[in-house]
Amino acid sequence: GIQVEQSPPDLILQEGANSTLRCNFSDSVNNLQWFHQNPWGQLINLFYIPSGTKQNGRLSATTVATERYSLLYISSSQTTDSGVYFCAVENPGTYKYIFGTGTRLKVLA
Amino acid sequence: DVKVTQSSRYLVKRTGEKVFLECVQDMDHENMFWYRQDPGLGLRLIYFSYDVKMKEKGDIPEGYSVSREKKERFSLILESASTNQTSMYLCASSFDRGVIKTQYFGPGTRLLVL
Repeated sequence: GIQVEQSPPDLILQEGANSTLRCNFSDSVNNLQWFHQNPWGQLINLFYIPSGTKQNGRLSATTVATERYSLLYISSSQTTDSGVYFCAVENPGTYKYIFGTGTRLKVLA
Repeated sequence: DVKVTQSSRYLVKRTGEKVFLECVQDMDHENMFWYRQDPGLGLRLIYFSYDVKMKEKGDIPEGYSVSREKKERFSLILESASTNQTSMYLCASSFDRGVIKTQYFGPGTRLLVL
């Protein structure tokens, strides 16, 4: 099956810093999503991005489907950005999303 | 806004009890999912449903069953709870519109089995 790897596993930033999170996947996919899990456990949609680039405020994402990776950029980080960021890809032809093990981000004030 | 709700945020049960976790979505989504999340293991799919009364096993269905009698509601059942089922349980739903299947998650249920 498809393997999804995220890096780095852990990241500590000072408030105001920028960061890039990476998601590599082992096979072609139709769908890719980025999520943020807040400290209370809620998974929040950030981007649905099977290909191309999208931006939403301080966050942006790029997926290069032909090279099987996606990047999530966080600019001017804030303490509220802390949490775990997950990348998930749909196994083609199924309804199943495969999740990476996440990047745990801590932003210090 | 899409809203996915789960019946409990926290639940404590005894070994051997039958446990029901309920999930309701209000956006007429066709697909619904149950995941469990454990430290170091990420999210793992237990069961999913793509239509009323339809269900498919995910990656870790053992010890669980599901019920989908109405489109908006998807229940996860632990027939006889065991301590290794202590976990965070997350429900999700999605449209099934061609290739776009954006998933939306509920707030999660933290289950402790003693």
